[in-house]
Amino acid sequence: AQSVSQHNHHVILSEAASLELGCNYSYGGTVNLFWYVQYPGQHLQLLLKYFSGDPLVKGIKGFEAEFIKSKFSFNLRKPSVQWSDTAEYFCAVNAPGTYKYIFGTGTRLKVLA
Amino acid sequence: EAQVTQNPRYLITVTGKKLTVTCSQNMNHEYMSWYRQDPGLGLRQIYYSMNVEVTDKGDVPEGYKVSRKEKRNFPLILESPSPNQTSLYFCASSLKELAGGDTQYFGPGTRLTVL
Repeated sequence: AQSVSQHNHHVILSEAASLELGCNYSYGGTVNLFWYVQYPGQHLQLLLKYFSGDPLVKGIKGFEAEFIKSKFSFNLRKPSVQWSDTAEYFCAVNAPGTYKYIFGTGTRLKVLA
Repeated sequence: EAQVTQNPRYLITVTGKKLTVTCSQNMNHEYMSWYRQDPGLGLRQIYYSMNVEVTDKGDVPEGYKVSRKEKRNFPLILESPSPNQTSLYFCASSLKELAGGDTQYFGPGTRLTVL
């Protein structure tokens, strides 16, 4: 069965620090990969997604993620975080051609001003 | 404004009292889905629908029903709610062009407490 692991449950950083959030998935075939973000009091929204092509994907607000097929990973990065990046981040996977989605347990990021 | 709406936003009910949480989208999306979010468990998919009259189970369908009679609406029905269904529920919708790779648009969430 598909699964998604987010190893960091809580992360606290100071502004301007670099961020990397881990996401590993288990699935033997081709996958679509997503990072969603939930800012306090707001809806979940898409940060970025990968479904084919360049494994380095750029999203909104300066975020990027790299798909490493050999490691079954899709880690989220940002070179310099801001206080406004405080949010909960979810990694998700789905198998192309299907409409079942598996989400990770989420990582709560707190950025200190 | 393009959006997914859910009602009610907050609901406290008692065990066994049937309830419906409505979900509506105005983006003409074919795909709609329901999730529940629980601490430490992330979002888990309950049911999804690929189009009108086409629904399928997600990972945690037990105790829930759905229907898709119109494209814009996808209600979640709890016939006999139990305390373990206390959770935060999200509805989402997307186009169906990238075979699952489409962006999902989420509603604001419904916080349900079953006593």
